[in-house]
Amino acid sequence: AQSVTQLDSQVPVFEEAPVELRCNYSSSVSVYLFWYVQYPNQGLQLLLKYLSGSTLVKGINGFEAEFNKSQTSFHLRKPSVHISDTAEYFCAVSESGYDYKLSFGAGTTVTVRA
Amino acid sequence: EAQVTQNPRYLITVTGKKLTVTCSQNMNHEYMSWYRQDPGLGLRQIYYSMNVEVTDKGDVPEGYKVSRKEKRNFPLILESPSPNQTSLYFCASRWDSALPDTQYFGPGTRLTVL
Repeated sequence: AQSVTQLDSQVPVFEEAPVELRCNYSSSVSVYLFWYVQYPNQGLQLLLKYLSGSTLVKGINGFEAEFNKSQTSFHLRKPSVHISDTAEYFCAVSESGYDYKLSFGAGTTVTVRA
Repeated sequence: EAQVTQNPRYLITVTGKKLTVTCSQNMNHEYMSWYRQDPGLGLRQIYYSMNVEVTDKGDVPEGYKVSRKEKRNFPLILESPSPNQTSLYFCASRWDSALPDTQYFGPGTRLTVL
């Protein structure tokens, strides 16, 4: 069974500064990786995903992530954040199997300040 | 508009009073799932459905029931709610049960059990 660890629960950052959110997973089979964002009082929406191919994936709103199989990581980055990026970010892993169940990390709250 | 809808969005009830949270998707998705979100725990899967009349337990199924009589609907039933079921609930759907891919989430239902 897979598990997902988001290494930072809270990340405060100034506007226009870069941000990196760290995600590590454990699994013994092939995995598929996702980052979701939850804006205040809203549901989750997909930022980006890795299913196969290039390990550097680009998503919406200028975010990107890199799949590192040897380090079992899928860190999320943005070179310059905006106030509107204030949200909770969830890393999720789907493991090969019957239902490709999605397992979530505990979430990282990003607060962008002017 | 392609979407997952949930009703109600907010619900306050008392211990033991049966309730149903409805979920509907208009994307003809095979796979549907219910999650609960609690602070510091991320999202945990309650039940999922691979197709009509096919449902199975997730990680935290105790105290919940589901049904999938039609492809578009996947209601969550709490027969006898208890205060530890106070949480934020999300319904989600995915196109193909046999492939890993994006899950689309509803707006959430905030449930308080007194």
